[in-house]
Amino acid sequence: KQEVTQIPAALSVPEGENLVLNCSFTDSAIYNLQWFRQDPGKGLTSLLLIQSSQREQTSGRLNASLDKSSGRSTLYIAASQPGDSATYLCAVRSDYKLSFGAGTTVTVRA
Amino acid sequence: NAGVTQTPKFRVLKTGQSMTLLCAQDMNHEYMYWYRQDPGMGLRLIHYSVGEGTTAKGEVPDGYNVSRLKKQNFLLGLESAAPSQTSVYFCASHLSFTDTQYFGPGTRLTVL
Repeated sequence: KQEVTQIPAALSVPEGENLVLNCSFTDSAIYNLQWFRQDPGKGLTSLLLIQSSQREQTSGRLNASLDKSSGRSTLYIAASQPGDSATYLCAVRSDYKLSFGAGTTVTVRA
Repeated sequence: NAGVTQTPKFRVLKTGQSMTLLCAQDMNHEYMYWYRQDPGMGLRLIHYSVGEGTTAKGEVPDGYNVSRLKKQNFLLGLESAAPSQTSVYFCASHLSFTDTQYFGPGTRLTVL
């Protein structure tokens, strides 16, 4: 069974600091890994999708890396802003099912 | 494209009542899912479908039924609601295993 862990569970940083969110998974036989953002009371918004054959993906201030052999992914958010405050979820697809981590709740202080 | 939509957004039920949640997607996706999200429990898969006319059980299927009569719609039914089914329900869909999974905005259900 795929287990996904996200560390830390919560993070508070001053505006402008870079954010580093970690995700680890136990089974390296994956199709891809997806990072989501969830605002309070809202649904999940997809941020980045990394296929198993890729090492990283970038979108604006966001960069996600994938090391499939070691079962790790890192989401970097450059120059954080108060609007980046949310919960970030990592999810791994091994088959039809996405296995989710518990999330990292980020607070960016103005 | 509207993406993934869910109806209703909020609902309050009494114990023993029944209801149906509707999920619709306009992206011609094959795979559709129903999840529930509870504090401290994360997202848990209730039922899923790999195509029109198919359904299968996820991690927590008890007390729920589903149907996928049309490719674009996935219905989640509660036959006899219980307080333990108070939760936020999310629908999701994607085209293939290598594609992005998209989520609906959620339905907040309270069972009294």
